[in-house]
Amino acid sequence: DTGVSQNPRHKITKRGQNVTFRCDPISEHNRLYWYRQTLGQGPEFLTYFQNEAQLEKSRLLSDRFSAERPKGSFSTLEIQRTEQGDSAMYLCASSFMTSRRNEQFFGPGTRLTVL
Amino acid sequence: DAKTTQPPSMDCAEGRAANLPCNHSTISGNEYVYWYRQIHSQGPQYIIHGLKNNETNEMASLIITEDRKSSTLILPHATLRDTAVYYCIVRVASGGDMRFGAGTRLTVKP
Repeated sequence: DTGVSQNPRHKITKRGQNVTFRCDPISEHNRLYWYRQTLGQGPEFLTYFQNEAQLEKSRLLSDRFSAERPKGSFSTLEIQRTEQGDSAMYLCASSFMTSRRNEQFFGPGTRLTVL
Repeated sequence: DAKTTQPPSMDCAEGRAANLPCNHSTISGNEYVYWYRQIHSQGPQYIIHGLKNNETNEMASLIITEDRKSSTLILPHATLRDTAVYYCIVRVASGGDMRFGAGTRLTVKP
């Protein structure tokens, strides 16, 4: 399968614990994006990378959220000291950006439940 | 990025064409119209995008009005598997984020 993959698919944690999600983009894609989606809402943009550079991070929800893409390939999203309000689907997408094309392809998501 | 307006829900009979409208009256000259859909519990799926000309691919057709203030996504022969939330998004090609609204919940009925 050559699509975007995310692991784990489901994560249940207790409030106050740290969690980390992984995203593996489509191999030739130079951009990688993270979104959050709560029930009944459309995805909400969090951050994105072009290669290993994080170009936008002001939309991360709080300083408990951080993301990395150390070698310009896979990416991780970490949430520290989780809260019940962090329960959501976390989506990753990737794209190959040109001047005329930049459609994003999404992974299946990681569903986080904070107890 | 320009804001879009879509009807919250629509129904369509199986085998008929589904026409999903989107208004984007504040679209800028360099902004594209993108359509995605999201089937329950899956990640959004790219459908099609366009700048000013009508576009067609194996999934759908995109009709953009001449003034570019609105567009219509057409699924020519809707099936039950097309039941999903459809999102219309306008953005520049080089942009980072996609700003999803509430979308249109399309229900295809037998």
